[in-house]
Amino acid sequence: AQSVTQPDIHITVSEGASLELRCNYSYGATPYLFWYVQSPGQGLQLLLKYFSGDTLVQGIKGFEAEFKRSQSSFNLRKPSVHWSDAAEYFCAVGAEKYSGGGADGLTFGKGTHLIIQP
Amino acid sequence: NAGVTQTPKFRVLKTGQSMTLLCAQDMNHEYMYWYRQDPGMGLRLIHYSVGEGTTAKGEVPDGYNVSRLKKQNFLLGLESAAPSQTSVYFCASRGGQLAVVEQFFGPGTRLTVL
Repeated sequence: AQSVTQPDIHITVSEGASLELRCNYSYGATPYLFWYVQSPGQGLQLLLKYFSGDTLVQGIKGFEAEFKRSQSSFNLRKPSVHWSDAAEYFCAVGAEKYSGGGADGLTFGKGTHLIIQP
Repeated sequence: NAGVTQTPKFRVLKTGQSMTLLCAQDMNHEYMYWYRQDPGMGLRLIHYSVGEGTTAKGEVPDGYNVSRLKKQNFLLGLESAAPSQTSVYFCASRGGQLAVVEQFFGPGTRLTVL
């Protein structure tokens, strides 16, 4: 079965510092990988996704992620964080888990809570 | 274009009561999903639908029923609520068949079962 691990439950970063959020996945074939952000009291918004091609993916709000097959990782990065980046971040993998027809849902990690220090 | 909307936003139930959560999307998406989010657990798939009139079980379907009578609506029902169903419920929709196509999420429904 596919799974996603986000090793860090909480991360605290100073405003203006760089950020890296870790994500490791387990899946037998090439996965479809996503990063979502959830602001307090809000739904989830897609930051970026990977499904093939260039392993460095650019997303919205200045985020990027790198797919490393050898490490089964899809880490999220940002060179300089802003106070507005404080949120919950979820890594997810999409695959044909339930129906085989690509219509199934996503498997999410447990999330990383990002705290920004002034 | 409202995207994905959920009704209600908040609800408190007593054990054994029933209720229905409504999800509506105006993007003409075929695929719709119900997830629950619990602290430290991420989101887990309850049920999903690949089109009008179809539903399927996800990872944690027990205690829930769903219906997709209209393409734009996906209902999640709790017939006899239990405290273990206290959670935040998210609906999502997707426009394409491939797993890579983005899912759009609603704002969530916070349900407390006493």
